[in-house]
Amino acid sequence: SQELEQSPQSLIVQEGKNLTINCTSSKTLYGLYWYKQKYGEGLIFLMMLQKGGEEKSHEKITAKLDEKKQQSSLHITASQPSHAGIYLCGAEPNNAGNMLTFGGGTRLMVKP
Amino acid sequence: DAGITQSPRHKVTETGTPVTLRCHQTENHRYMYWYRQDPGHGLRLIHYSYGVKDTDKGEVSDGYSVSRSKTEDFLLTLESATSSQTSVYFCAISGGGAKETQYFGPGTRLLVL
Repeated sequence: SQELEQSPQSLIVQEGKNLTINCTSSKTLYGLYWYKQKYGEGLIFLMMLQKGGEEKSHEKITAKLDEKKQQSSLHITASQPSHAGIYLCGAEPNNAGNMLTFGGGTRLMVKP
Repeated sequence: DAGITQSPRHKVTETGTPVTLRCHQTENHRYMYWYRQDPGHGLRLIHYSYGVKDTDKGEVSDGYSVSRSKTEDFLLTLESATSSQTSVYFCAISGGGAKETQYFGPGTRLLVL
């Protein structure tokens, strides 16, 4: 079965600093999803990457997919307290698209 | 926000009692999913449905059953709750097929004493 490993598991940064979260798959990535979860709430979809080399941005968050490395990175520029939460990556274990496997999550705290 | 609601949002129950969680969607999406989220394990798929009365098992289906009699409702039943089923349960929906984004509900916090 596919396994997704996220690093780091937790991160504390000062407001205004940049940060990167990585998601590495044990198998081929057919589609990679990034979600954000605020503490005690549901998951909010951020973006989806499906092709090697693809890069997407939303506000100050940029995600990239390196198909060869079977890895995706999520980069936050000039972090703000509103970026705090748990970031989860999810991937389709096959190309059928009927389920997702998730990483363990990265817990981000942003100090004002 | 995707139109997904879960009920109840919080529940405390005793070991051995049956529990049913409900997921309701207003998006008319074909696929519906039940996940559980536990510290150290992330999100794990319990069961999913790809249409009315069409369901399949996920990674951690033991001790759970599901039913989908209408497009908009997906029920998760714990026939006899155990303490190991204490968790946060999330429902998700998608149009189905590759590259279709899953949208999640707000979650149900279940405590089995």
